[in-house]
Amino acid sequence: GAGVSQSPSNKVTEKGKDVELRCDPISGHTALYWYRQSLGQGLEFLIYFQGNSAPDKSGLPSDRFSAERTGGSVSTLTIQRTQQEDSAVYLCASSSLAGSGYEQYFGPGTRLTVT
Amino acid sequence: EDQVTQSPEALRLQEGESSSLNCSYTVSGLRGLFWYRQDPGKGPEFLFTLYSAGEEKEKERLKATLTKKESFLHITAPKPEDSATYLCAVQSGANSKLTFGKGITLSVRP
Repeated sequence: GAGVSQSPSNKVTEKGKDVELRCDPISGHTALYWYRQSLGQGLEFLIYFQGNSAPDKSGLPSDRFSAERTGGSVSTLTIQRTQQEDSAVYLCASSSLAGSGYEQYFGPGTRLTVT
Repeated sequence: EDQVTQSPEALRLQEGESSSLNCSYTVSGLRGLFWYRQDPGKGPEFLFTLYSAGEEKEKERLKATLTKKESFLHITAPKPEDSATYLCAVQSGANSKLTFGKGITLSVRP
């Protein structure tokens, strides 16, 4: 079956511009997560959505970062006024349910480069 | 705060040379420990979930084990195609997020 898809695969933007990253989760998965992977930092949690519940935004590094999930499926991560330190690979994952022990399946990521 | 430490950072093996990768963790109420494999330029690929101390899981040449403080990923008679970065992550308490270690880069020479 189809896995998690993300677009674009690569994005180069100028400092100060806004960017939108898209994630299509596995069909039927109710939980969706965003992580960031930087060189030497490992994967860092950003935000997660579960059904119609309020999202857990505890990992967002600043108010320039926001995300939404429409219709319980597709999600968009928006970064406003991008900075060079935002350069990283942004990974989306989904799981059948949120909570303990449910494995998360990752997409291929979007590599963001801020020049 | 959950913490995950993986060691060594990098490991080079000869084909057929078995070894183990370590993942040490500190959590408040472990709900799951996850192993992933990541190839360059790709997203992490799920391998195993372990839930309680003493649990073991196997898949081909890989075997994951869990104690109250650490997990090991044992690789038996590795092949060059096992070369990848192996990531360990924990999930604890009521949190759904995963906390990852920095990964172990494994290189298997033919």
